[in-house]
Amino acid sequence: GAGVSQSPRYKVAKRGQDVALRCDPISGHVSLFWYQQALGQGPEFLTYFQNEAQLDKSGLPSDRFFAERPEGSVSTLKIQRTQQEDSAVYLCASSSSGAGYSNQPQHFGDGTRLSIL
Amino acid sequence: QQPVQSPQAVILREGEDAVINCSSSKALYSVHWYRQKHGEAPVFLMILLKGGEQKGHEKISASFNEKKQQSSLYLTASQLSYSGTYFCGTEDSNYQLIWGAGTKLIIKP
Repeated sequence: GAGVSQSPRYKVAKRGQDVALRCDPISGHVSLFWYQQALGQGPEFLTYFQNEAQLDKSGLPSDRFFAERPEGSVSTLKIQRTQQEDSAVYLCASSSSGAGYSNQPQHFGDGTRLSIL
Repeated sequence: QQPVQSPQAVILREGEDAVINCSSSKALYSVHWYRQKHGEAPVFLMILLKGGEQKGHEKISASFNEKKQQSSLYLTASQLSYSGTYFCGTEDSNYQLIWGAGTKLIIKP
């Protein structure tokens, strides 16, 4: 399909395990965003890539969270030594807007629902 | 700083109108509106850029008053398919959107 694809759709992990969440953005989209969404809340910004460059990681909650986009396309969000408070839906979005103000929409994937037991 | 959305929730009968508001304490360059259904991705509705414009999308329209740092989303003659949670995302600096907590809209037949 032509949309943003995220995998896995659901992930259950035991506390202390490492997890990796994948995002396949719309082909050609320069910008890629990761968000964390708690139940009943709006998405909270985690990090932003412009092509392969991670321009902003100010929203990552701790150094256990790491994101990469090595070839400027697929991105992976990795969480090490997971804790129960990491349980949330992780959304990825891509946009054709580059640096500068957003005059193009962000297209979201369906998200990965992460549950830490 | 997170924009404030109001109301938090609204229940309508099919065919009724609704207004959802989004306000920020910061000067804004743009406001983005999305609708999210349970367990699904947020779906883009419209972007309003500074300039006080109003946009429309089917029976859904929105306005942006940059002086007041406010945007409003108008849903006219609501349909069952309009149910969901509506989020505004505000942009006060390059590329980063800050999302409101959402307004839950329930449409009853």
